[in-house]
Amino acid sequence: DQQVKQNSPSLSVQEGRISILNCDYTNSMFDYFLWYKKYPAEGPTFLISISSIKDKNEDGRFTVFLNKSAKHLSLHIVPSQPGDSAVYFCAASVTRLMDSNYQLIWGAGTKLIIKP
Amino acid sequence: NAGVMQNPRHLVRRRGQEARLRCSPMKGHSHVYWYRQLPEEGLKFMVYLQKENIIDESGMPKERFSAEFPKEGPSILRIQQVVRGDSAAYFCASSPPWGNYEQYFGPGTRLTVT
Repeated sequence: DQQVKQNSPSLSVQEGRISILNCDYTNSMFDYFLWYKKYPAEGPTFLISISSIKDKNEDGRFTVFLNKSAKHLSLHIVPSQPGDSAVYFCAASVTRLMDSNYQLIWGAGTKLIIKP
Repeated sequence: NAGVMQNPRHLVRRRGQEARLRCSPMKGHSHVYWYRQLPEEGLKFMVYLQKENIIDESGMPKERFSAEFPKEGPSILRIQQVVRGDSAAYFCASSPPWGNYEQYFGPGTRLTVT
């Protein structure tokens, strides 16, 4: 059963415009969410994260929004740049302080293509 | 500060052979996670280890797969008697001793079973 879903396999956006990537989850126990970016033949790179006690987190061109009632989060990139072309993964975790186990549950990814 | 290292980057094995994948975490990191990615899918958690201890192996198949993280040296993911379905990218991630949601990933090992 897929606990984290990214329903858009790909997204094409004009350079300079806003890119919006979406992610839905089913497990209400998730309390931390992360976005990773991945280029071909490389490992995922951490981009931005948000705790469930917040509804927004911003870092430069990247903003993540969390809507807990809808179990939905989104990543906004503005303005989009050619170097943003990559696969973006949404991931979620449940705090397990007892063993510091922060295993991540991943969505299938969205391939973002920025058109010049 | 060197990042997470994985080797080999590419590994080709025939069915029935053994595959050994190595992961050296970032300096100062003592928590290691292994994930597997099948084509067109997200990463799937396999196992979480701390130095000399397997903490959670709930995502790892019970047969043929094993993992270790010795006191000295890299973490090893071992797959015995590989089958075609084991073909995937295997990623290792590390995090600091106090634990952290933000995991740092290696470049992955792409295993191909022929």
